Amino acid sequence: NAGVTQTPKFQVLKTGQSMTLQCAQDMNHEYMSWYRQDPGMGLRLIHYSVGAGITDQGEVPNGYNVSRSTTEDFPLRLLSAAPSQTSVYFCASTTSGNFYEQYFGPGTRLTVT
Amino acid sequence: SQQGEEDPQALSIQEGENATMNCSYKTSINNLQWYRQNSGRGLVHLILIRSNEREKHSGRLRVTLDTSKKSSSLLITASRAADTASYFCATVPQAGTALIFGKGTTLSVSS
Repeated sequence: NAGVTQTPKFQVLKTGQSMTLQCAQDMNHEYMSWYRQDPGMGLRLIHYSVGAGITDQGEVPNGYNVSRSTTEDFPLRLLSAAPSQTSVYFCASTTSGNFYEQYFGPGTRLTVT
Repeated sequence: SQQGEEDPQALSIQEGENATMNCSYKTSINNLQWYRQNSGRGLVHLILIRSNEREKHSGRLRVTLDTSKKSSSLLITASRAADTASYFCATVPQAGTALIFGKGTTLSVSS
């Protein structure tokens, strides 16, 4: 199993550009989440999904969009990038069968100039 | 707002010493988890304790949970330089499934 994969690993965007961060998992987990990590702030939840076709907002959803068309994939879209979105983004997946122990991807480091 | 708050924010110890980190949270939980993050890397799950458990062990790790005080502690015994990392507690709210993280404790273990 590859676990949770994320692409790209690094990305530089100009203000106003849009892009999609990709996340995929091969563990058949029903739950997937996106977090951002900023220095001194820990991880903050952006959006999460409890199954294909079902998504919900986390703590910091503004400026981001998600969809979940398959169990495996959970892309995160930045609609119009802003410097405040410079961060490291982590995708994670889990299942109720393991009491929601999260499996994390390696992260995407995004810089918005 | 974030659910968990770790204390201390930073901890420096010598190899062989024990390291204790504390976590407080705000609302009722299904379980509490501890994660480690090495510099520049993703998070790795260390240990999970359910709301009806009070203590759990895994190798050199010992976790306690006091739901009446809404707090948890992580003890790493006989620390090694390789334990140098940031440690985060995370809670699963009873009503939800997504983890809510604290800001973390940075542990430095010197040889």
